[in-house]
Amino acid sequence: DSGVTQTPKHLITATGQRVTLRCSPRSGDLSVYWYQQSLDQGLQFLIQYYNGEERAKGNILERFSAQQFPDLHSELNLSSLELGDSALYFCASSQGPSSGSLRDTQYFGPGTRLTVL
Amino acid sequence: GENVEQHPSTLSVQEGDSAVIKCTYSDSASNYFPWYKQELGKRPQLIIDIRSNVGEKKDQRIAVTLNKTAKHFSLHITETQPEDSAVYFCAASKDSGTYKYIFGTGTRLKVLA
Repeated sequence: DSGVTQTPKHLITATGQRVTLRCSPRSGDLSVYWYQQSLDQGLQFLIQYYNGEERAKGNILERFSAQQFPDLHSELNLSSLELGDSALYFCASSQGPSSGSLRDTQYFGPGTRLTVL
Repeated sequence: GENVEQHPSTLSVQEGDSAVIKCTYSDSASNYFPWYKQELGKRPQLIIDIRSNVGEKKDQRIAVTLNKTAKHFSLHITETQPEDSAVYFCAASKDSGTYKYIFGTGTRLKVLA
């Protein structure tokens, strides 16, 4: 158990709908990263938040948005869903960024499997 | 732009043999290189990492080597076992405002009993 929690574990929805995925980082971690992993594919970085502020953006679609709340949990919102959005969505957390040597290791949550029908 | 190439994409070895997975990074400022193991449908799990001030690191049957000049790093698994079968991802990051990872494309390792 990495200490990172994600809910829900599974989500089945229809095209055009909107869903929210939730992530709670490990205790003490300030950074949250979101990744998308389609079937048999690699880990696509979507977005990073650090202490409530957006810090880095990857290949995140305009239909997707995220935020990190004062209690450091994060939510990823996916709207106008398409069949191709079906994937495993992981969040990871780390202490960083900072100049410390151990603060950049990312620990992954169990993921949310999204199925769009 | 930043890129991490990972080879091979698939690797089959006999149980007890060694496996080597290689990654090459493009950003010379990268200074942290973790390796993750992902079993089917599960989360990626950190198995070993190395920082740029070290050339090699070992943890039981797993070792990672780093060649900063050539900008490549490798994962070595000795005495492979069936439970080593998984997808392995390398990544690179650097001291910056984000510490975000650049992931390799993954290597599917199959250990044949």
